Amino acid sequence: DGGITQSPKYLFRKEGQNVTLSCEQNLNHDAMYWYRQDPGQGLRLIYYSQIVNDFQKGDIAEGYSVSREKKESFPLTVTSAQKNPTAFYLCASSIPLVNEQFFGPGTRLTVL
Amino acid sequence: GNSVTQMEGPVTLSEEAFLTINCTYTATGYPSLFWYVQYPGEGLQLLLKATKADDKGSNKGFEATYRKETTSFHLEKGSVQVSDSAVYFCALSDPLNAGGTSYGKLTFGQGTILTVHP
Repeated sequence: DGGITQSPKYLFRKEGQNVTLSCEQNLNHDAMYWYRQDPGQGLRLIYYSQIVNDFQKGDIAEGYSVSREKKESFPLTVTSAQKNPTAFYLCASSIPLVNEQFFGPGTRLTVL
Repeated sequence: GNSVTQMEGPVTLSEEAFLTINCTYTATGYPSLFWYVQYPGEGLQLLLKATKADDKGSNKGFEATYRKETTSFHLEKGSVQVSDSAVYFCALSDPLNAGGTSYGKLTFGQGTILTVHP
């Protein structure tokens, strides 16, 4: 089945540690996105990538980094510079010029 | 910049009641409009969309009409079920432009929690 997978579903880390969230898609989509969801605030865009080896900052990129070495993969690293990293993280993908995004199941990160 | 405003929640209804969740937007040009639904602990699923003025999106008994004159895209359902309990997000997408930088980035409202009781 085609879709987007995110792993793990739940992630716990100690304060000050970097952590990498996985996002894989087999939909053959060129564009991929990372969002952060906090209660009562909707989704906010962290980074997006339109093609392999290219990505742009979204609205809240500080404290995060990404890479796009393969079309199907777009990992997100939450660095120790992110002041409030505890949140629900959602990955999405889309076909460029088709304005519909498909979402993964999300990863809930808790920093202790 | 673009923005989306949804009605304040949470919304609590009895089964078979009529549902309206208001959504208004601010955007330049002619964005596409979406409603996404999120069930507990899951990612977002596209519920319906409309890409131009006066279009009506519909799915699973839900409907929304793209009203450019009032910059609105209100979600409605005639008879809700317990299984409709979820968080509903209104969103807009920048007009797509191959020569520009939008590439369909979504701007979301804050979400409306809907709870339906038997």
